[in-house]
Amino acid sequence: QVQLQESGPGLVKPSQTLSLTCTVSGGSISNGDFYWSWVRQTPGKGLEWIGFIFHRGTTYYSPSLKSRVSISIDTSKNQFSLKVSSVTAADTAMYYCARDPTVGHFDYWGQGILVTVS
Amino acid sequence: EIVLTQSPGTLSLSPGDRATVSCRASQSINNNYLAWYQQKPGQAPRLLIYGASRRAAGIPDRFSGRWSGTDFTLTISRLEPEDFAVFYCQHYDSSPSVTFGQGTKVEVK
Repeated sequence: QVQLQESGPGLVKPSQTLSLTCTVSGGSISNGDFYWSWVRQTPGKGLEWIGFIFHRGTTYYSPSLKSRVSISIDTSKNQFSLKVSSVTAADTAMYYCARDPTVGHFDYWGQGILVTVS
Repeated sequence: EIVLTQSPGTLSLSPGDRATVSCRASQSINNNYLAWYQQKPGQAPRLLIYGASRRAAGIPDRFSGRWSGTDFTLTISRLEPEDFAVFYCQHYDSSPSVTFGQGTKVEVK
């Protein structure tokens, strides 16, 4: 059974960089059949796709966040990571990592991590 | 950018009722890339339907999806107590880009 688990600071100061890691267990992140994704959720904007990364490092980002977002992958640790720079209160959200079997939906999700910018 | 508009915002029903949630796309989309999720308080979304009408693994057959043009529908044939939640539609396009509907809450009447 595949499991994803987010980790990182729950509190980030404005203008700083938010950094989160997703650890995947029960399957190899090097499997070329999946995209590894980040999605966030706020009460105001609902669910928002941030971006995803393929096992070889190819990345795709939401146009609205592209200038501030970076996703990376560490196959040796079976992890992928998210960085969001120059954060503001609008980046306060529940952040989820998720797996996409390259067909445009998310079949496994982490439990989520609440990040507050303050 | 494709916009997904869900209706109604809230659906008040009783266990045993039929629930119908709608998702309208702002333009024609590939139905192979339309999915539905269920989210309960404090939990991550759970995949119910993908490809507009294919049930995900382990999803009961009371959940079904269909489409007509730009209108997509999630139906729960008979609501069980555990089905009350918020439901989201989601689309992927080849830009690539992913968009979600704003959600429909199915609550106990």
